[in-house]
Amino acid sequence: AQSVSQHNHHVILSEAASLELGCNYSYGGTVNLFWYVQYPGQHLQLLLKYFSGDPLVKGIKGFEAEFIKSKFSFNLRKPSVQWSDTAEYFCAVNARGSTLGRLYFGRGTQLTVWP
Amino acid sequence: DAMVIQNPRYQVTQFGKPVTLSCSQTLNHNVMYWYQQKSSQAPKLLFHYYDKDFNNEADTPDNFQSRRPNTSFCFLDIRSPGLGDAAMYLCATSRDAIDRGLTDTQYFGPGTRLTVL
Repeated sequence: AQSVSQHNHHVILSEAASLELGCNYSYGGTVNLFWYVQYPGQHLQLLLKYFSGDPLVKGIKGFEAEFIKSKFSFNLRKPSVQWSDTAEYFCAVNARGSTLGRLYFGRGTQLTVWP
Repeated sequence: DAMVIQNPRYQVTQFGKPVTLSCSQTLNHNVMYWYQQKSSQAPKLLFHYYDKDFNNEADTPDNFQSRRPNTSFCFLDIRSPGLGDAAMYLCATSRDAIDRGLTDTQYFGPGTRLTVL
């Protein structure tokens, strides 16, 4: 079975600090990769996704992620966080060729940004 | 503006009393999903519909059923809720898949938090 690991469960930063959230997956085949964000009291929404092409993908609100196939990783980064980035972040993976729509989620990383 | 709507947002039921959660979408998407998310855990797919084609996850308990009467609506029925079924239930939709190995972006509703007394 595939799995997605997010190693940091809770990250606390001050505003303007740089952010990197780790995500590793276990699957040897071709994958589609996603980062979702859930702001307090709101629904999950897509930050960015990777299907193919340039492994460095840019998303909304200044976030980016880099797919490193050899490391089975898709880490999320932001050079300078803001208080409004406080949220829970979920990495998700879909293995191509698997059951249609089967997304595997990590357990999430809670990011708290202090003003 | 709401695209994926879930009602109610909070549901309290008694142990063993059937409960139905609803999801509707204004996106006209082909695919609808139901996820279960327990506290501090990853969302877990229960089942999904591709149009009217129902796809159950192998480890989804029989206690959980789903109905999709039309494109816009999908229901999650829990026939006999147990204490372990208390969770957030998330509905999601996606437009289509170009082929059966490619997932389009999933759009999530706000979730229904189920409490079982």
